[in-house]
Amino acid sequence: DQQVKQNSPSLSVQEGRISILNCDYTNSMFDYFLWYKKYPAEGPTFLISISSIKDKNEDGRFTVFLNKSAKHLSLHIVPSQPGDSAVYFCAASAAGGTSYGKLTFGQGTILTVHP
Amino acid sequence: EAGVVQSPRYKIIEKKQPVAFWCNPISGHNTLYWYRQNLGQGPELLIRYENEEAVDDSQLPKDRFSAERLKGVDSTLKIQPAELGDSAVYLCASSQSRTGFGETQYFGPGTRLLVL
Repeated sequence: DQQVKQNSPSLSVQEGRISILNCDYTNSMFDYFLWYKKYPAEGPTFLISISSIKDKNEDGRFTVFLNKSAKHLSLHIVPSQPGDSAVYFCAASAAGGTSYGKLTFGQGTILTVHP
Repeated sequence: EAGVVQSPRYKIIEKKQPVAFWCNPISGHNTLYWYRQNLGQGPELLIRYENEEAVDDSQLPKDRFSAERLKGVDSTLKIQPAELGDSAVYLCASSQSRTGFGETQYFGPGTRLLVL
């Protein structure tokens, strides 16, 4: 049972344009969401997060939007740069119970930004 | 500040052989995680430690996998014996604590294991 899904395996964008990466989840207990970026042969690097009490969080070129009713979040990168080319993972966690602190990851989306 | 350190970075072994991975978390981080990432998938949690205590090992295949975190700092993950399906990247992560809302986990570079 895939509780966090990234349905687009890959995305190709021109430099300077907007990149939009999408993520859907099924577990209504999830209340904290993170995006990680991963380069080849490296571990995932934390990018940005959002809690369920917000619907938007912005950090420089990166903005994450959360739609709780649709159980959907998205990551916007504006403007996209060639250095943003990487695999992006969406992850979610729940605040309570024995699963606290456990991150459930999506399958990842490969972003390629062309010069 | 140094990040999460893992070794070795790569390991090739034959099936039925034992293998061990080592992790040193970020200084001051009390919570340590081991994840496994299969090709084309996101990381999946194997075990989580709060200091020396394993508080969530429900996903750890206990027949062949074991882990320890002596003194609440470094940790070792062991597989004995390894099977072909264990080929994956093993990631270690750490966070300051489990208290509070939305603790961010920081990952090491991982150990890429290939079982032949």
